[in-house]
Amino acid sequence: GAVVSQHPSRVICKSGTSVKIECRSLDFQATTMFWYRQFPKQSLMLMATSNEGSKATYEQGVEKDKFLINHASLTLSTLTVTSAHPEDSSFYICSAQPSGQETQYFGPGTRLLVL
Amino acid sequence: AQSVTQLGSHVSVSEGALVLLRCNYSSSVPPYLFWYVQYPNQGLQLLLKYTTGATLVKGINGFEAEFKKSETSFHLTKPSAHMSDAAEYFCAVTSGYSTLTFGKGTMLLVSP
Repeated sequence: GAVVSQHPSRVICKSGTSVKIECRSLDFQATTMFWYRQFPKQSLMLMATSNEGSKATYEQGVEKDKFLINHASLTLSTLTVTSAHPEDSSFYICSAQPSGQETQYFGPGTRLLVL
Repeated sequence: AQSVTQLGSHVSVSEGALVLLRCNYSSSVPPYLFWYVQYPNQGLQLLLKYTTGATLVKGINGFEAEFKKSETSFHLTKPSAHMSDAAEYFCAVTSGYSTLTFGKGTMLLVSP
């Protein structure tokens, strides 16, 4: 149980285009989902907290107009990187927290490469 | 505020040897503590967690951790390392009402 999927697993795009990443909780409902970014050989950096049916809460320094987050249902959150630039290239990981629990379950991550 | 310190960015052990990965935390409220493992180019997998109750927690793959409040520690151990244990390990803390705070990670290297 507690499986989280992400799609796509990797994506290559041209500079200036937008990329959407999906995060799904497959066997549980998640009131809260989280989006992280991980640079090579570093820990996870929380980008934003996404609550179903409300606006996401962004961490300091994260541009909300660049990283659009939508959490339209209890099993799906999306992260859209708008007008991507090479510096946005990274490993993006989502997690989902079952309703009423303190544990986060992580997706397999999405490798984004912007050329 | 909460924080996590993982001592040692790299730990090397021989196959069959004891694994000890150190984690110390700070939290102003009773913490929930987690260990996650990350294999290359993959997400994080939950190894074990401490919320309340028994302070010695057993997880998957033969790992266990002990919550020691007096030492503010939650060290991860495994009696006998296997080659497949080679990965990055992250300790994390939350109060349950806050976001998850991660340590910087410890890379476990296992040699034959």
